[in-house]
Amino acid sequence: DVKVTQSSRYLVKRTGEKVFLECVQDMDHENMFWYRQDPGLGLRLIYFSYDVKMKEKGDIPEGYSVSREKKERFSLILESASTNQTSMYLCASSLGAAISGANVLTFGAGSRLTVL
Amino acid sequence: AQKITQTQPGMFVQEKEAVTLDCTYDTSDPSYGLFWYKQPSSGEMIFLIYQGSYDQQNATEGRYSLNFQKARKSANLVISASQLGDSAMYFCAMREAGFQGAQKLVFGQGTRLTINP
Repeated sequence: DVKVTQSSRYLVKRTGEKVFLECVQDMDHENMFWYRQDPGLGLRLIYFSYDVKMKEKGDIPEGYSVSREKKERFSLILESASTNQTSMYLCASSLGAAISGANVLTFGAGSRLTVL
Repeated sequence: AQKITQTQPGMFVQEKEAVTLDCTYDTSDPSYGLFWYKQPSSGEMIFLIYQGSYDQQNATEGRYSLNFQKARKSANLVISASQLGDSAMYFCAMREAGFQGAQKLVFGQGTRLTINP
């Protein structure tokens, strides 16, 4: 089974702190994603990566950065956490370019971040 | 821009009844894919079913089927014989092309389904 592991299920941080959310996948997937989930808004893409050291902005990248130094690990960084970044963060991975359309994303269990 | 709309924030259904969760989409791309995911209270997103825009038949996976009406741009999820374990959030999503083949998903707002005994 593909496994996507997010290191922290629950975090509480203070405004202005630097926050690292870590994600590791064990199936040699090329693509990795960070989504943010908020009630009534669904999931919104923050950043994604299609290869080591490669990253692309998603729909809501402001206030976030990412790092992918190894294929299996994709980190989301909040340089200076703010209260409006309180949310559920979901990491996902998938294979590279799909020959057929069903390139399914496999998700981690999520990290619920509260910024006080 | 591609968009997914789920108009039902919440639904309540009696156990063993069938349930339909609505999803409409908007895209100008002739090639696209539609997904449904389930999110139980544990938080993990579970893939349920996929429909490609060129697929001739509606997708089915066990008790799940996708009612794909291309002209109406709808992709409703049908769950037959609902069970208590079906209580969860359900998300509809559409594939959009990304860089280097990294296929991104755009998600709807979600529908919270509650199955009553």
